[in-house]
Amino acid sequence: QLVLTQSPSASASLGASVKITCTLSSGHSNYPIAWHQHQPQKGPRYLIKINSDGSHSKGDGIPDRFSGSSSGAERYLTISGLQSDDEADYYCQTWVAANVVFGGGTKLTVL
Amino acid sequence: QLQLQESGPGLVKPSETLSLTCTVSGGSISIATYYWGWIRQPPGKGLEWIGNIYYSGTTHYNVSLKSRVTISVDTSKNQFSLRLTSVTAADTATYFCARLRPGSQFLYWFDPWGQGSLVTVSS
Repeated sequence: QLVLTQSPSASASLGASVKITCTLSSGHSNYPIAWHQHQPQKGPRYLIKINSDGSHSKGDGIPDRFSGSSSGAERYLTISGLQSDDEADYYCQTWVAANVVFGGGTKLTVL
Repeated sequence: QLQLQESGPGLVKPSETLSLTCTVSGGSISIATYYWGWIRQPPGKGLEWIGNIYYSGTTHYNVSLKSRVTISVDTSKNQFSLRLTSVTAADTATYFCARLRPGSQFLYWFDPWGQGSLVTVSS
């Protein structure tokens, strides 16, 4: 069974960079994932898709401050030049045999 | 620009059926490329996938909800709907609808999402 694991929380200072990790369970290290941002009182927003080789593609209008990368079973979302508006929950998501799997989410605090 | 909007009662009594509709605007629900999905978020918790439907009516459900969930599509109205039977307080959540779009390496991902609809289960 494919499981996506995320740290529950992360924090970084205004203007700094932060790297959020999504780990694929054993045997599934070649799966691509997507990252979604969920700000309070809003619908989630698709940010970026990351393939197993690290190639990625962003959603429409997503700033260059958001980038993605991959290493083994880990998929990363890096946000640079943190803004107060980046304070949100971030979820990774993948697809297995027409079923969707979400990670538990990472709450990002901008200090 | 494709937009999705959830609608339905905000309050449902325990043991009754929760019904929500997602109206798609700015594009057709009948395009063969996409799936359409429902997701929920209980208060203070993470996102939980409920199920997907293809325009033809093919469905896939979260195994934990499968016995209580039905997702249907009405292509004439450009809508798809969620029914969840025998609800309890544990079904209280914000419910989102979203389009699933395909990409490389056989990944489908949600984009765009609706704004969400809070449904409270209480007598």
